[in-house]
Amino acid sequence: DVKVTQSSRYLVKRTGEKVFLECVQDMDHENMFWYRQDPGLGLRLIYFSYDVKMKEKGDIPEGYSVSREKKERFSLILESASTNQTSMYLCASSLSGGGTDTQYFGPGTRLTVL
Amino acid sequence: AQSVAQPEDQVNVAEGNPLTVKCTYSVSGNPYLFWYVQYPNRGLQFLLKYITGDNLVKGSYGFEAEFNKSQTSFHLKKPSALVSDSALYFCAVRDMSGGSYIPTFGRGTSLIVHP
Repeated sequence: DVKVTQSSRYLVKRTGEKVFLECVQDMDHENMFWYRQDPGLGLRLIYFSYDVKMKEKGDIPEGYSVSREKKERFSLILESASTNQTSMYLCASSLSGGGTDTQYFGPGTRLTVL
Repeated sequence: AQSVAQPEDQVNVAEGNPLTVKCTYSVSGNPYLFWYVQYPNRGLQFLLKYITGDNLVKGSYGFEAEFNKSQTSFHLKKPSALVSDSALYFCAVRDMSGGSYIPTFGRGTSLIVHP
């Protein structure tokens, strides 16, 4: 079974802090994704990566950056956390770029910014 | 451009009754369609997908969905609901003719199954 793990289930940070959210997948998937999930808004794509060191902006990249130095690991960085970034963050991976691939999701990180 | 709509924020059904969670989509070409489920405090799990072929797709946990091209719909169904089916359900679509291979997700429908 594909396993996608996220470094923290719950995280509390202060405004202005730099925050790192880590995601690791164990099935050699090419694609990795970061979403944020907010009530009533569903899933919104922040960034995705289709290869090591390759990244593309999603629908809401402002205030975020990403890093993919190794195939299995995709990090989401909040350079200076703000209260409006309090949310559930979901990482996902998929095998390749064919468009028919199932996405596999991690358990999520619930981030609170005070 | 691709988009998907889940017109109901919440669906309530009694245990043992059939359930339907609605999804409609808009694409330029032909769609790839997906359903995912999210149980409380968990990530999303894949249920089923339509790529091509039979319009009726069977998936995990007894769920199925029917692709209807004329109505641009992909409703999720189950003949007999269980309390354990209570969860958040997401529909997603990807336009086969589109430049992006990233699916677009709906806003989610909360399914509540009453004992």
